[in-house]
Amino acid sequence: DAGITQSPRHKVTETGTPVTLRCHQTENHRYMYWYRQDPGHGLRLIHYSYGVKDTDKGEVSDGYSVSRSKTEDFLLTLESATSSQTSVYFCAISTRQGSMNTEAFFGQGTRLTVV
Amino acid sequence: ILNVEQSPQSLHVQEGDSTNFTCSFPSSNFYALHWYRWETAKSPEALFVMTLNGDEKKKGRISATLNTKEGYSYLYIKGSQPEDSATYLCASAGSSNTGKLIFGQGTTLQVKP
Repeated sequence: DAGITQSPRHKVTETGTPVTLRCHQTENHRYMYWYRQDPGHGLRLIHYSYGVKDTDKGEVSDGYSVSRSKTEDFLLTLESATSSQTSVYFCAISTRQGSMNTEAFFGQGTRLTVV
Repeated sequence: ILNVEQSPQSLHVQEGDSTNFTCSFPSSNFYALHWYRWETAKSPEALFVMTLNGDEKKKGRISATLNTKEGYSYLYIKGSQPEDSATYLCASAGSSNTGKLIFGQGTTLQVKP
């Protein structure tokens, strides 16, 4: 295991409510990512972080915000959940080894259903 | 090419067949190309990270090649087995500083016994 924990693992929420997903790592890795998985789309990048308080938008960032106040935690917030945000969310981490960025290690995923 | 694209989307082969998939990625601002294997109900796991033009990597029956000038990578599986059934994802890293990693939509392989 790469020391990544996502919480919660499953959540059902109502349209319009705020939701926060947490990704916690014990590896002290520099880079952290949030992806969503939808049929036919593979993994789409929502937001990513390259250091504490350093974050940037991915391909599908609308309706999502993130925060990284410490190395080990990367939070994904849906300010007002919509049914289109029903998905499986994956957190991933990677780091630098010498001049190379390593492969990404993934969490177990969070299944979010917005009703 | 603006996005990371994979083909075919799905593939059905018989046990023992050899197969290959394609990943196309933007050749500008290239830093690294990753391949991942993703089994149903599990999380993706890395197969290869490739950075140099002409790079070839191998792990057992699976190998990959990289052409950064034209922006494509091939993944080969020799003598496919039912346990090779999975979705194979490639991802392009365009920067070493930010670590931004963009995935293709994947190729789903089904190997029939």
